Amino acid sequence: GENVEQHPSTLSVQEGDSAVIKCTYSDSASNYFPWYKQELGKRPQLIIDIRSNVGEKKDQRIAVTLNKTAKHFSLHITETQPEDSAVYFCAASLNSGGYQKVTFGTGTKLQVIP
Amino acid sequence: DVKVTQSSRYLVKRTGEKVFLECVQDMDHENMFWYRQDPGLGLRLIYFSYDVKMKEKGDIPEGYSVSREKKERFSLILESASTNQTSMYLCASRGGQGVGEQYFGPGTRLTVT
Repeated sequence: GENVEQHPSTLSVQEGDSAVIKCTYSDSASNYFPWYKQELGKRPQLIIDIRSNVGEKKDQRIAVTLNKTAKHFSLHITETQPEDSAVYFCAASLNSGGYQKVTFGTGTKLQVIP
Repeated sequence: DVKVTQSSRYLVKRTGEKVFLECVQDMDHENMFWYRQDPGLGLRLIYFSYDVKMKEKGDIPEGYSVSREKKERFSLILESASTNQTSMYLCASRGGQGVGEQYFGPGTRLTVT
């Protein structure tokens, strides 16, 4: 099955700096890569996603890049703000037996220091 | 606005008890999922269902079963709770047959003593 590795497990940045979270996946057939943000005590929510036919996607201060050859994708947050502090999960989605199966990474706890 | 609800936010059960966790979604989604969340292990898929009365094992199904008698409701059952099942349990739903956003419930913090 699919295996998703996520690094780093914790990340501290100063407010205004950039943050980068990296993930690798094992199955080259994975075709969809979402990122979820989970604030303390709340449910995970989708913040950005990218499909396998796209190399980069941007939404305001958040961007995701995908390198299919290396089986690697990354989340980039620029001009970080205290409200960006949360746990971020990457995921890879694979069509398995006619349905989409999603495998999550282990999460990155981002702390933005004011 | 999609709404996914779970029957309890906090639950305390004794070892050996049968435990039911209920999840309801109001967006007519075909797909529903049960995850457990543990520190350092991320979100691990227990079971999922892509249609009424259909179920598929996820990555860690041992010790769990599920039921989906109606489209909007997906139940997770711990037949005989054990202390290693103490965890946060998250339900999610997703519409359609292809890829897309999963909408999560608020979670149930289960403690087995």
